[in-house]
Amino acid sequence: SYELTQPPSVSVSPGQTASITCSGDKLGDKYPCWYQQKPGQSPVLLIYQNNKRPSGIPERFSGSNSGNTATLTISGTQAMDEADYYCQAWDSSTFVLFGGGTKLTVL
Amino acid sequence: EVQLVESGGGLVQPGGSLRLSCAASGFIFSSYDMHWVRQVRGKGLEWVSAIGTASDTFYSGSVKGRFTISRENAKNSLYLQMNNLRTGDTAVYYCARGWGNNWVDEWLDSWGQGILVTVSS
Repeated sequence: SYELTQPPSVSVSPGQTASITCSGDKLGDKYPCWYQQKPGQSPVLLIYQNNKRPSGIPERFSGSNSGNTATLTISGTQAMDEADYYCQAWDSSTFVLFGGGTKLTVL
Repeated sequence: EVQLVESGGGLVQPGGSLRLSCAASGFIFSSYDMHWVRQVRGKGLEWVSAIGTASDTFYSGSVKGRFTISRENAKNSLYLQMNNLRTGDTAVYYCARGWGNNWVDEWLDSWGQGILVTVSS
């Protein structure tokens, strides 16, 4: 079955760029999306179709996807960006699939 | 404004059944795929099931054969019938709206607040 792998944690200093990866076999052929979840809240869609942002999502959030890895990039990271981040994709064997999640710490 | 409100959660014994509901408003319900996603406290998101606009259904391996997803467009409602529940099904269950091109680029753009299901004796 298909799997998506994320690092459990990423740390970044305020104002710096954070990169969160999501790896899967030939993930570049799929259309991963990204969600942000803060403690006690429901997930929020950040990126869809590799690199599109829903209305209301700040421009500092961007996505890319190539080969076996998709990347969520947060430019000029702010304290409010501290949260859990999940990638998600569709596969014909597992249907909708989430990565294990990455906890972003803004130090 | 898109709103998704789950109901029907609670405490149930192992082997028991529960039916979750999700009331949708603020959009044309019949035009969207709908999903159930669950999250064990302190753990990651786990996709459970989805239903398309043509009522085509999909299930994760962990619930296939025990859970049934359905929708009632006239009532703008989504359901999840959960049978033969196990302690491992204990989680917060989210209803979410989906969109994509024939599923391959499906994304979930609106989520409910979640409802807790506890399976315990």
